[in-house]
Amino acid sequence: GAGVSQSPSNKVTEKGKDVELRCDPISGHTALYWYRQSLGQGLEFLIYFQGNSAPDKSGLPSDRFSAERTGGSVSTLTIQRTQQEDSAVYLCASSLGPGTGLQETQYFGPGTRLLVL
Amino acid sequence: DAKTTQPPSMDCAEGRAANLPCNHSTISGNEYVYWYRQIHSQGPQYIIHGLKNNETNEMASLIITEDRKSSTLILPHATLRDTAVYYCIVRNRRFGNEKLTFGTGTRLTIIP
Repeated sequence: GAGVSQSPSNKVTEKGKDVELRCDPISGHTALYWYRQSLGQGLEFLIYFQGNSAPDKSGLPSDRFSAERTGGSVSTLTIQRTQQEDSAVYLCASSLGPGTGLQETQYFGPGTRLLVL
Repeated sequence: DAKTTQPPSMDCAEGRAANLPCNHSTISGNEYVYWYRQIHSQGPQYIIHGLKNNETNEMASLIITEDRKSSTLILPHATLRDTAVYYCIVRNRRFGNEKLTFGTGTRLTIIP
């Protein structure tokens, strides 16, 4: 079956511009996560959506970062006034939702590679 | 989430079993052990998870010590495609704390 998909796969932008990154989770998955991975670093949690609940935004690094999830499916991560330190791979993951073990297993998309010049 | 400690790198000969250790001495009773791997330029891939019993699936086996303070991921017959960074994660199951906290992992290199 189809996995998590993300678009674009690569994005080059100029400092100060806004960018939007898209994530299509696995069909039927109610939980959606955004992470980012800077070059040579581990993954950093950004934001978590579960169903219609208010998202957990505790990982967003600044107010330039925001995310939406429309209709409980597709999510968009927006970075306003991009800075060079925003350059990273942005990864989206989804899971069936709260439950036990396998239900909570997160499946990752291929990521969007963002380069801010 | 409990912290984990993994060796930064390991080598394994192709066709042999790769045994990747992980220490999680501060793990608590409601925390699962998850293993993911990340092949260069790809998103992390789920491998296996467990609570206290040993687990096996088509990819790997997970051996958790009786005191749960450490675990070992076993790839029974390593191939070149298993070269990746392997992450051991312990995760609290309290609702509302769903994020995965990735450490630096073990870079496993399979040698032909």
